[in-house]
Amino acid sequence: DAGVTQSPTHLIKTRGQQVTLRCSPKSGHDTVSWYQQALGQGPQFIFQYYEEEERQRGNFPDRFSGHQFPNYSSELNVNALLLGDSALYLCASSSPRVDGNNTGELFFGEGSRLTVL
Amino acid sequence: AQSVTQLGSHVSVSEGALVLLRCNYSSSVPPYLFWYVQYPNQGLQLLLKYTSAATLVKGINGFEAEFKKSETSFHLTKPSAHMSDAAEYFCAVSLVSGGSNYKLTFGKGTLLTVNP
Repeated sequence: DAGVTQSPTHLIKTRGQQVTLRCSPKSGHDTVSWYQQALGQGPQFIFQYYEEEERQRGNFPDRFSGHQFPNYSSELNVNALLLGDSALYLCASSSPRVDGNNTGELFFGEGSRLTVL
Repeated sequence: AQSVTQLGSHVSVSEGALVLLRCNYSSSVPPYLFWYVQYPNQGLQLLLKYTSAATLVKGINGFEAEFKKSETSFHLTKPSAHMSDAAEYFCAVSLVSGGSNYKLTFGKGTLLTVNP
């Protein structure tokens, strides 16, 4: 059973460039969330996708956008990169409904580490 | 809105000693609470979760946590630390509305160091 997979694992960009990060959810999950983890900080919620739509968004500018595909995989796009966008970007998958079998737990990938120079 | 405060950004213990990592939460509705562990250069792994059932929750690797509503706390403990427990630990609270999970709000993390 494959877990959450993310690509690429590491990448370096320069200010002003654009980046796309990719995520495949755990088998059986159809909800994907993205988190940004700056160095020495806890993960911060960017947004969540379900049924190919953005369901909820955290406090991030419009430079951050996403997409979910019919196979539930997802992309995170960041435009006009700033030095402050350097971080570990974590993808997490879950089931959309919380019930006796699913308690809202997220399963995380190992992340994509973005360095902006 | 919900929030999490982890007391102590760095905790150092000797191997075999008690591990206590503190977490206090704020939530306008009954929360779901989680502890995650992150090893260097890896993603987050769930240690344990509280979902309004038993207040004492047992997780993996010998960790447990107790939900105390009166103290709004969810501290993580392990009776005897092992070298392999050295990692960063994150407490998180979840907003669940209408049966759907929207997001986790994380604390800033506590780095656990285990000394031989």
